[in-house]
Amino acid sequence: AQSVTQPDIHITVSEGASLELRCNYSYGATPYLFWYVQSPGQGLQLLLKYFSGDTLVQGIKGFEAEFKRSQSSFNLRKPSVHWSDAAEYFCAAYNQGGKLIFGQGTELSVKP
Amino acid sequence: DTAVSQTPKYLVTQMGNDKSIKCEQNLGHDTMYWYKQDSKKFLKIMFSYNNKELIINETVPNRFSPKSPDKAHLNLHINSLELGDSAVYFCASTQRWGDSYEQYFGPGTRLTVT
Repeated sequence: AQSVTQPDIHITVSEGASLELRCNYSYGATPYLFWYVQSPGQGLQLLLKYFSGDTLVQGIKGFEAEFKRSQSSFNLRKPSVHWSDAAEYFCAAYNQGGKLIFGQGTELSVKP
Repeated sequence: DTAVSQTPKYLVTQMGNDKSIKCEQNLGHDTMYWYKQDSKKFLKIMFSYNNKELIINETVPNRFSPKSPDKAHLNLHINSLELGDSAVYFCASTQRWGDSYEQYFGPGTRLTVT
């Protein structure tokens, strides 16, 4: 069955430090991949997406993600984290049946 | 300006009651969804409507009944509420069924059943 896994439930980084959130997918073909962010009490906001082509995609708020087919991964990165980045981050893959399959989410805390 | 809106934002009710959550999108999209986010933040699709027609119906108890009066609205009615229904319910929309990967989410409705 198609699935998306985020191995880290909770990550804490210091403000100004770099960030990498991991995402692995299980799919037969190259899926469409997404990262969403959910701030406390808010809905989900799309950070970036990968469909095809350049495997390094840029998103909003200074985030980027790299698709690695050999590792079935789509990790999210940011070179310097700001306190306002504290939120829940979801990786998702598009199922050809019209469904977005979400990972379990990674909660990011930012230390001052 | 709000793209996808939901009402109410918070809903507290007792077991056995019937309640509805409303969703509206002003994006001109054809397809709308309901998702449930449980206490562990896991998000799962419940229903999808395309042009008022039910397209996706996951394994959801039949106490949950979605209704789409028009393309811009998708409501969720829940009968005989149970403790396990406590969750955050998100509405989402996408321009066309074929673009189901470009989904826009509402702010969520936090349902608490006591």
